[in-house]
Parts: sequence; C-alpha cells; structure tokens
Amino acid sequence: KQEVTQIPAALSVPEGENLVLNCSFTDSAIYNLQWFRQDPGKGLTSLLLIQSSQREQTSGRLNASLDKSSGRSTLYIAASQPGDSATYLCAVRRTTGFQKLVFGTGTRLLVSP
Amino acid sequence: KAGVTQTPRYLIKTRGQQVTLSCSPISGHRSVSWYQQTPGQGLQFLFEYFSETQRNKGNFPGRFSGRQFSNSRSEMNVSTLELGDSALYLCASSSLWTGGNTDTQYFGPGTRLTVL
Repeated sequence: KQEVTQIPAALSVPEGENLVLNCSFTDSAIYNLQWFRQDPGKGLTSLLLIQSSQREQTSGRLNASLDKSSGRSTLYIAASQPGDSATYLCAVRRTTGFQKLVFGTGTRLLVSP
Repeated sequence: KAGVTQTPRYLIKTRGQQVTLSCSPISGHRSVSWYQQTPGQGLQFLFEYFSETQRNKGNFPGRFSGRQFSNSRSEMNVSTLELGDSALYLCASSSLWTGGNTDTQYFGPGTRLTVL
C-alpha cells in the first residue's frame, strides 16, 4: 500500500528565505509525482508534475526534484513571499490504479512580511 | 479555457438525506476523479471515470456513487448522509487516459458539504 508523508507539517519563515518541503513515499512504482498548493477553503492548484523518468522540474521560483529509488521528492521555493502562504501537498500516481492520486498529509507554510 | 467547475459550492443537509454534486471538467478532458477532503483523513480517493465508465473506486461505502455523462460531466451521489460525510468534495480532470497517461490533473474549487 502506497503511503505518502510530508515533513514538516507546518513551517513559518520570514519573507525572502529559501525553503525546502519534503515528501516521502513508500512504493517506488510510480508514474509521476505532482505538487499542489491549496489556499484555505479552496481547491488544489497544480504547481509541478515530475514524470517518473525525470529528476526535476522548475517553474519560476519553484523547483521540484524526484529520487524514485529512495522514495523522496523535495519542493524548493526560492525567495519566499507572503503570497506563498498556503498548504502544499504532494501526490503520487502509481503504475496501477489509473489516474488515482495518493496524497501526502501536507505542509502548511506561513511566510511573514 | 475554463477550468474545472463544481456545483454547488456549498451545501447544508441533515442526516439521512441524500445529495448530488456536479463536476464539469475542462473542455476536452475525458477523465474525472473525485476526492473527499477532511481534516482527519486528508484527501481520499473516491472514484474515477473515463468515457462514462468507472475505472477505479476507493474504499468508501456503497452510499457513495457516481456517474459520467457523454459530455464528460460527472455527478456523485451520497445517500443516507451521516455526520462524518461533512467534507470538501473535490473533482479533478485530465485530458486523456491511455493506460500510460501522465497528464497533470486539474482540480475544481470543491463543494463544501455540511451534514447536521
């Protein structure tokens, strides 16, 4: 059974800091890993998708890496801003189970001005 | 291109009632998945539809059901509501399912269901 864990559960940083969010999964048989952000009471916004054959993906100030063999992914946020405050979720899509995503528990990020 | 839309956005029901939620995927997307989000359990997969066929089902009781129409719009139904069904229900769409598809899934804003 695939289990996805995110550490830390909550993180508070001052504006301008670079930060790293961690995601671990127990079953390396994945098609891809996706990072999302969720603002309070809202739906999920897709940030980055990494295919199982890729090592990293970048979008603006965001960089996500994937190490399938060790079951780990990191989301790096450069020069954090108050607008980055949200809950960040990682999700893996397994090689079986069609489009089903297995989500981590999330990291709640607060960036203070 | 319009995003994933879900209606209604908010619902209040009482125990024992039933409810139907609707999801319209992004135009051209044929795969729709449903998730339940609660503070205690996080995001849990309910089911997935492609071309009007249920492809996958999560670990939920039979009170939870769904369907997909020929225009890819999907509905989920919960019968005999329980207090524990209070949650944010999210649907997601993706463009193609080919068995090896790796497309991004796009989520709607969710329907907030409160059961009293």
